[in-house]
Amino acid sequence: AQSVSQHNHHVILSEAASLELGCNYSYGGTVNLFWYVQYPGQHLQLLLKYFSGDPLVKGIKGFEAEFIKSKFSFNLRKPSVQWSDTAEYFCAVMNYGGATNKLIFGTGTLLAVQP
Amino acid sequence: EAGVAQSPRYKIIEKRQSVAFWCNPISGHATLYWYQQILGQGPKLLIQFQNNGVVDDSQLPKDRFSAERLKGVDSTLKIQPAKLEDSAVYLCASSSLPSGRALYEQYFGPGTRLTVT
Repeated sequence: AQSVSQHNHHVILSEAASLELGCNYSYGGTVNLFWYVQYPGQHLQLLLKYFSGDPLVKGIKGFEAEFIKSKFSFNLRKPSVQWSDTAEYFCAVMNYGGATNKLIFGTGTLLAVQP
Repeated sequence: EAGVAQSPRYKIIEKRQSVAFWCNPISGHATLYWYQQILGQGPKLLIQFQNNGVVDDSQLPKDRFSAERLKGVDSTLKIQPAKLEDSAVYLCASSSLPSGRALYEQYFGPGTRLTVT
């Protein structure tokens, strides 16, 4: 069964620092990949997604992620974080071609950006 | 467009009581999902509806959880009787029907935070 690992549970950065959050998945078939973000007091929202084409995907608010098939990874990056990026970030994977469109989520990474 | 609506936002009950959550998806979205998010974990799919039919309920504890989506629009999720381990945030999401390999987004509601004491 598909599983998703997010290695960093808590990350604390200062403003302007660079960010990279790790995400690895277990299933080797065709996958669709997502990063969701949950800002304090708000609902989950999509940050970016990948299903084919250029493995470097750009999302909202300056975030990007790179799909590396050989490493089963989809790491999230941002060159310079802001205080407003404080949130919880979830990586999610969907196996393409299944009977359902089930999203498998990682456990999340809580990012705190200090001003 | 209006987002996914859920109510109530918070609920506290004692174990062995029953509780129900309501979800109204984005207008026109055929697919509706209920997720359970336990503190410190990512959301886990409980049940997926396409219109008013169940597509996947493999992770729904059917001895105590039930869900329905009458008329293919609103949905309710019920727990009866509740256990301490049911304390979690219950998220509802909706999406359009996928077409071919078209990638669609799941839109999430604000969730209902359930505390079972």
